[in-house]
Amino acid sequence: GNSVTQMEGPVTLSEEAFLTINCTYTATGYPSLFWYVQYPGEGLQLLLKATKADDKGSNKGFEATYRKETTSFHLEKGSVQVSDSAVYFCALAGANSKLTFGKGITLSVRP
Amino acid sequence: DTGVSQNPRHKITKRGQNVTFRCDPISEHNRLYWYRQTLGQGPEFLTYFQNEAQLEKSRLLSDRFSAERPKGSFSTLEIQRTEQGDSAMYLCASSLAGQGEKLFFGSGTQLSVL
Repeated sequence: GNSVTQMEGPVTLSEEAFLTINCTYTATGYPSLFWYVQYPGEGLQLLLKATKADDKGSNKGFEATYRKETTSFHLEKGSVQVSDSAVYFCALAGANSKLTFGKGITLSVRP
Repeated sequence: DTGVSQNPRHKITKRGQNVTFRCDPISEHNRLYWYRQTLGQGPEFLTYFQNEAQLEKSRLLSDRFSAERPKGSFSTLEIQRTEQGDSAMYLCASSLAGQGEKLFFGSGTQLSVL
């Protein structure tokens, strides 16, 4: 079956630091890949997506590239802000857009 | 577009009681999903509707769980004879088929079974 593995957290960074959050997946075929974000007290929101190999999703300074050869979709941001503090979930879409999520990782950014 | 709405936001119940949650999706969305999220874990798929038809149910969904979407609009999730292991955040999401797999999530209903 489909599965998503995220690096263990939590992650604490200083403002303006570089961020990488690792995500690898197991799936049949070539699923679409997503990063969702959950800010404190809010629902899950789509951050970015990529639908095929070598696609790069980007939004709000975050980027992730769909790497078929390594089955990865790592999230990066060059300079994090305090407002980026949230829980980040990697996910893939199977049949009927059903999402399989990773465990999520909590990011805390210090001023 | 008012987003996906879930009620109640919080529910505390005693073991053995029945509970029902409601989800109002974005009005034009024909797909509706229920997920469950426990502390420290990502959301887990429970069930999925296209219009009023329930097309898939996870093996996580025991016989005590039932979901309906009677007119293809709002949905309800009922848990009968609740157990402490049912304590979790129950999330609803909706989407429009053919619009690139983008799901919109509600804020969830937090269930605590005492």
